[in-house]
Amino acid sequence: QVQLQESGPGLVKPSETLSLTCSVSGGSISSYYWSWIRQPAGKGLEFIGRIYSNGDASYNPSLKSRVTMSVDMSKNQFSLKMTSVTAADTAVYYCARDQVGTGSKHFDYWGQGTLVTVSS
Amino acid sequence: DIVMTQSPLSLPVTPGEPASISCRSSQSLLHSNGNTYLDWYLQKPGKSPQVLIYLGSHRASGVPDRISGSGSGTDFTLKISRVEAEDVGVYYCMQALQNPRTFGQGTKVEIK
Repeated sequence: QVQLQESGPGLVKPSETLSLTCSVSGGSISSYYWSWIRQPAGKGLEFIGRIYSNGDASYNPSLKSRVTMSVDMSKNQFSLKMTSVTAADTAVYYCARDQVGTGSKHFDYWGQGTLVTVSS
Repeated sequence: DIVMTQSPLSLPVTPGEPASISCRSSQSLLHSNGNTYLDWYLQKPGKSPQVLIYLGSHRASGVPDRISGSGSGTDFTLKISRVEAEDVGVYYCMQALQNPRTFGQGTKVEIK
């Protein structure tokens, strides 16, 4: 059973960089796409972007200028960096496995989510 | 971006009764490869979302057959034939045709 676990600071200061890591267990990160999705408290879901195990990434155009994703095959992890954060970036951040490579494009495994608060 | 619109936003249900949620997209979700890229997710209280339906009507692994998805083009429906207590939560539709993936506002299903 594939399991995903997000980790990173729960509090980030405005204008600084948000950094999160998603650790994958129960399966290899290789040959899959991996995505980040966020959810402000009490609100809906927003797709941030996805990355393939070879490092090819695709981002939401609304966030593209501030987002970078990367993969660490040796650790079976992938990461998200978001620069110049503001209070609007306060949300629960989820990582998920993305079945885009199989043609169905759905998220079949999700992490439990991690709350990131942007505040001074 | 493709805009996804769900209705209703709140749905009180009676156990054992059917329930239905509508989702409309601002443009057709039919790809030239013949696939329709519409998914349904359920977010149970305090939990991460879980996939129920993908490609419009394909039930995900472990999803009971009383839950079904249908529709085409821009109009889609999620149906629960007999609601059970475990079905409470917020249901989201999501289009996967174009980047960025976009979600509906969510429909909160609660027991009457």
